Amino acid sequence: QVQLVQSRSELKRPGASVKVSCQTSGYSFNTHAIEWVRQAPGQGLEWMGWINTNTGNPTYAPGFAGRFVFSLDTSVSTAYLQINNLKTDDTAVYFCARNIVLQPIGGATWLDPWGQGSLVIVSS
Amino acid sequence: DIQMTQSPSSLSASVGDSVTITCRASQNIYEYLNWYQQRPGKAPELLIYTASSLRSGVPSRFSGGGSGTDFTLTINRLHPEDFASYFCQQSFSPPPTFGGGTRVE
Repeated sequence: QVQLVQSRSELKRPGASVKVSCQTSGYSFNTHAIEWVRQAPGQGLEWMGWINTNTGNPTYAPGFAGRFVFSLDTSVSTAYLQINNLKTDDTAVYFCARNIVLQPIGGATWLDPWGQGSLVIVSS
Repeated sequence: DIQMTQSPSSLSASVGDSVTITCRASQNIYEYLNWYQQRPGKAPELLIYTASSLRSGVPSRFSGGGSGTDFTLTINRLHPEDFASYFCQQSFSPPPTFGGGTRVE
């Protein structure tokens, strides 16, 4: 079955970097986009952007351009989220999710399934 | 960006009750509306896509409706495992935006 398994929780200092992995299985990796969603403690879901798993081209939501970097390793069917220059406000659970299409540019698209989430805590 | 407004933000119910959650879009999104369930400490899971299509494996007590700007998620006869948070998401126009969520407690 289709599965997305994320890396474990991390505790980081402000200014450091973290790389969250999202290992996929059960389908052809390069036929579906991977999206990233952030959930701050006790808050709702915030869409961060997506990456085309065929071309590697990322698209970032306005608030996530710059310090946030999406990447791939297609040899192991894995997507990555790197956050640079971490701030305490980055403390959140980060989810990856598979979109049903490769290029989700509007219309009938949805996220299914999701990874289990990776908690990133930023604290001095 | 399209704004998605869910109501209520929380509701109290009992096992066996039926509940309805609403989601309103700031502009016409046709039927490009998805619903997700998130149990405490877990990842969201797809329940309904394109407003009213039930994901395979989701119990038939869940149903979705609406089009344009106003949508509903109805849960008939709540089961214990249904006490969770529910989020709507529009996919009509990038960026895809989520509603603020409704906690069923």
